[in-house]
Amino acid sequence: DTAVSQTPKYLVTQMGNDKSIKCEQNLGHDTMYWYKQDSKKFLKIMFSYNNKELIINETVPNRFSPKSPDKAHLNLHINSLELGDSAVYFCASSQGTGGLLGEKLFFGSGTQLSVL
Amino acid sequence: AQSVTQPDIHITVSEGASLELRCNYSYGATPYLFWYVQSPGQGLQLLLKYFSGDTLVQGIKGFEAEFKRSQSSFNLRKPSVHWSDAAEYFCAVGGGGSYIPTFGRGTSLIVHP
Repeated sequence: DTAVSQTPKYLVTQMGNDKSIKCEQNLGHDTMYWYKQDSKKFLKIMFSYNNKELIINETVPNRFSPKSPDKAHLNLHINSLELGDSAVYFCASSQGTGGLLGEKLFFGSGTQLSVL
Repeated sequence: AQSVTQPDIHITVSEGASLELRCNYSYGATPYLFWYVQSPGQGLQLLLKYFSGDTLVQGIKGFEAEFKRSQSSFNLRKPSVHWSDAAEYFCAVGGGGSYIPTFGRGTSLIVHP
């Protein structure tokens, strides 16, 4: 069983569309994250949820809205997609709050988003 | 604020040669330090981590890293590189009130046969 799974793996869409990426973890972890990896491989935190509560919200456009229906799921909805949103988006989870307690992060395999 | 610098964007080595990937961090106290590896088309996987104690840390796949407080470094090493080690390597630092680890920009390892 995949520990952290995200769908879809590839997403190609037009500018202005709205799209969602789903993430699920079956590890029983308390904390989930969304990272954005740009074309230069730089990995930037976007959001973090701990037990369904938002704990980290970095400087991300309001067009990006995370939703955590339960602690095993953290979905990412993006409105009015722009060319600059093209990137690989990674979901991750950790037992505790990853940085604070030095917990290991478990990553999904990524969603490659291409905005045309 | 904590930060991580990986000064090498690309490293090329021959198969069987030794490897050292550099990582420098900026942090006020004793940090938690990590190395992650990202194979093509995959998510990141933890290689090893340092919390405290022995400054030489052993990880998976034959990797090790040494924490040097005086140099603010946590360099990753492997004595003999295999072609399957070709990947992107990320150093990360966490701890001290920050809820999330901060990642470096990554070093791309290319292995020649």
